[in-house]
Amino acid sequence: NAGVTQTPKFQVLKTGQSMTLQCAQDMNHNSMYWYRQDPGMGLRLIYYSASEGTTDKGEVPNGYNVSRLNKREFSLRLESAAPSQTSVYFCASSEWGKGYTFGSGTRLTVV
Amino acid sequence: GQQLNQSPQSMFIQEGEDVSMNCTSSSIFNTWLWYKQDPGEGPVLLIALYKAGELTSNGRLTAQFGITRKDSFLNISASIPSDVGIYFCADAGGTSYGKLTFGQGTILTVHP
Repeated sequence: NAGVTQTPKFQVLKTGQSMTLQCAQDMNHNSMYWYRQDPGMGLRLIYYSASEGTTDKGEVPNGYNVSRLNKREFSLRLESAAPSQTSVYFCASSEWGKGYTFGSGTRLTVV
Repeated sequence: GQQLNQSPQSMFIQEGEDVSMNCTSSSIFNTWLWYKQDPGEGPVLLIALYKAGELTSNGRLTAQFGITRKDSFLNISASIPSDVGIYFCADAGGTSYGKLTFGQGTILTVHP
């Protein structure tokens, strides 16, 4: 049971570089989410996709874009990375009656 | 937006002790969710509460949805080393599957 798979697990970027964080779920969930976790601040929602074909901004969307490629995959893109985007990023999926499942995270450092 | 305030921020306890942590909100909630995050992993749901006054247990864990609907607490009895981690309260706007708003987390350290 893979659940939610995130790649890569670790990444170091230079300021201004771009990258895409990948997320895939195999539970046939309709909704998918991207959160970031910073010390002392819990997890904050960046973007979410309530269902295939839709995406919406969360609490902290600036500097990010997302793509819901299909029902399984939801990617997060940083077009021009900044040190303030150093964080741990979590992808999650959910479905009515089945609750939430989180991936194990991507630790991103921007230098 | 709504805010969740979780306390304490951290706890250092001896194995076997009981633990209590709580969460308060600036607005009325329809759900309270309690998650645990192990080091290097994503959060995992421990207990979900949907009704004011509800008291729910999951093994050594007990959580309650406050009568005012603005607070919740989580108790862990007879702590063990594997209880180490970060505990979060969260709200999902009345469901267990919508957008989540998290508290700041309580870091629990258990000394053998």
